[in-house]
Amino acid sequence: QLRLQESGPGLVKPSETLSLTCTVSGGSVSSSGYYWGWIRQPPGKGLEWIGAVYDSGTTYYNPSLKSRVTISVDTSKNQFSLKLTSVTAADTAVYYCARRREGTSLRDYWGQGTLVTVSS
Amino acid sequence: QSALTQPRSVSGSPGQSVTISCTGTSTDVGSYNYVSWYQQHPGKAPKVIIYDVTKWPSGVPDRFSGSKSGNTASLTISGLQADDEADYYCCSFAGSHWVFGGGTKLTVL
Repeated sequence: QLRLQESGPGLVKPSETLSLTCTVSGGSVSSSGYYWGWIRQPPGKGLEWIGAVYDSGTTYYNPSLKSRVTISVDTSKNQFSLKLTSVTAADTAVYYCARRREGTSLRDYWGQGTLVTVSS
Repeated sequence: QSALTQPRSVSGSPGQSVTISCTGTSTDVGSYNYVSWYQQHPGKAPKVIIYDVTKWPSGVPDRFSGSKSGNTASLTISGLQADDEADYYCCSFAGSHWVFGGGTKLTVL
């Protein structure tokens, strides 16, 4: 059974960089045919797609966040990561990692989510 | 403001059916059959219940069904059960990225 687990600091200061890692177990992040992505949810609000990385390393980002986001994959550690620069309070959210099957809209596996608060 | 428009809330009694709409534009819902629906209980991660407009992931009962007409996708839940009370989100491909709806809170009366 595939499992995704987010990890990283729960508190980040304004203007600094938010860094999260998603560790994949029970499967391989280098398996062909999948996108590995990040989605966030501010407290009490809806979901927002941040971006994703394909198994080839190609990345796709939300146009509204593109200038601040980097998503990368580390096949040696079976992980993929998110970096979001110049954070503000508006970036406070639960961050989820998820897998999407290529050629479909099926996001079938999600992490449990991790709350990141931006505050000084 | 969310890219896809959903009603803030819907409600129904056990055994009844409810439909949640998801309105986008010709650049997202209207152009692609890549619409998915997610159910989210409080404090939990979203769970996919419909993908590619009408398809069921493994293990999801056929009480949940999806459809699309023009720029609007819909999720219908029949035979409402208490455990269906949750937030529901639609999501659509938009050419180079993905957009979510603002979410709909379903209350089972």
